[in-house]
Amino acid sequence: SAVISQKPSRDICQRGTSLTIQCQVDSQVTMMFWYRQQPGQSLTLIATANQGSEATYESGFVIDKFPISRPNLTFSTLTVSNMSPEDSSIYLCSVGTEKPNEQFFGPGTRLTVL
Amino acid sequence: LAKTTQPISMDSYEGQEVNITCSHNNIATNDYITWYQQFPSQGPRFIIQGYKTKVTNEVASLFIPADRKSSTLSLPRVSLSDTAVYYCLVGDGAAGNKLTFGGGTRVLVKP
Repeated sequence: SAVISQKPSRDICQRGTSLTIQCQVDSQVTMMFWYRQQPGQSLTLIATANQGSEATYESGFVIDKFPISRPNLTFSTLTVSNMSPEDSSIYLCSVGTEKPNEQFFGPGTRLTVL
Repeated sequence: LAKTTQPISMDSYEGQEVNITCSHNNIATNDYITWYQQFPSQGPRFIIQGYKTKVTNEVASLFIPADRKSSTLSLPRVSLSDTAVYYCLVGDGAAGNKLTFGGGTRVLVKP
């Protein structure tokens, strides 16, 4: 299994600002993903972070709002841009394995936008 | 990806067995059935996966009937620490192994 850490663990931000969330994995992985979990809701996939190329975004999510970097096989960042209170959520990164449908998740970043 | 349906919530008591049934009528031939557990303030954790019949590990058992249109996650002798949300997912692991989470079942274990 992979050990995943995220920074920050939580933050309170003002609307209109941006926050960059970091995800660090203790081993090299091919597949990394970013999810959002709104209060009391299930997880929604934002994008697949591709190493060396642009991220692949899911319907309803765009690069201008959620730019993602993946400079190497152990690290990725997600930026939440021009935040509004509707962006208040938990943001989680995960890594895939060779086993179908198996992912390991980070602890999440709890974001509150005022 | 096949859609899944599971109860919104279930209550149980310590020491009881908890069974959560998930419906996936449109499951495809290559799809696996996977369950995740999410404790409050943590990311989901993979707990068990199966294709057909029965799978058992140290955490749970997964029962899959022959038609594979449903599956049942069984948690034996639950404790308070098993209070969590349990998600049933169905997919073949293709498309970059992306996961689609449904609503999940919130299990509350009472003393």
